[in-house]
Amino acid sequence: AQTVTQSQPEMSVQEAETVTLSCTYDTSESNYYLFWYKQPPSRQMILVIRQEAYKQQNATENRFSVNFQKAAKSFSLKISDSQLGDTAMYFCAFMNSGTYKYIFGTGTRLKVLA
Amino acid sequence: NAGVTQTPKFRILKIGQSMTLQCTQDMNHNYMYWYRQDPGMGLKLIYYSVGAGITDKGEVPNGYNVSRSTTEDFPLRLELAAPSQTSVYFCASSYQSVKNTEAFFGQGTRLTVV
Repeated sequence: AQTVTQSQPEMSVQEAETVTLSCTYDTSESNYYLFWYKQPPSRQMILVIRQEAYKQQNATENRFSVNFQKAAKSFSLKISDSQLGDTAMYFCAFMNSGTYKYIFGTGTRLKVLA
Repeated sequence: NAGVTQTPKFRILKIGQSMTLQCTQDMNHNYMYWYRQDPGMGLKLIYYSVGAGITDKGEVPNGYNVSRSTTEDFPLRLELAAPSQTSVYFCASSYQSVKNTEAFFGQGTRLTVV
């Protein structure tokens, strides 16, 4: 069974600084997708970034980028120039392209400090 | 676009009562999912559906039932509410293709069983 582990329950960062959130996963599949979702206090789940396992190039979306290490089964999220609006819970998720079920980690609560 | 719409947003149930959480999506997505979110536990899959008329159990299906009579609707039924079902429930949908793997979420239903 696939599992997703986020080992940092809480983190904080100063505004304008850079922070990295960790995620590891376990799977025997070769074709899958990885995601980072953001959940602000409004409770809405918002996609931050997506990575296809078959792509070696790390995905980037503006201030958000990932470090995808397939052999190590690691998928960390880097937030550059942190903003107060980045304060949220962040979930790492895995999706097997055979079953199309999303498996989530337990989340990292990020607080950006002014 | 409305996206994924869940109703109600909040509900308090007494032990033993029944209720249906409604979920509808207007994106013509084939896959739909129900998750529950408990503090510190991430999102756990309750049931999912790969299309109208097809449903399957997820990780935590006990105490719940679902149906998928149309592409748009995927209601979740709680027959005999128990305190252990106090949680935030999310409905999600996705259209699985090589380029479209994102899950879209509703705003969640906070359910309290007393």
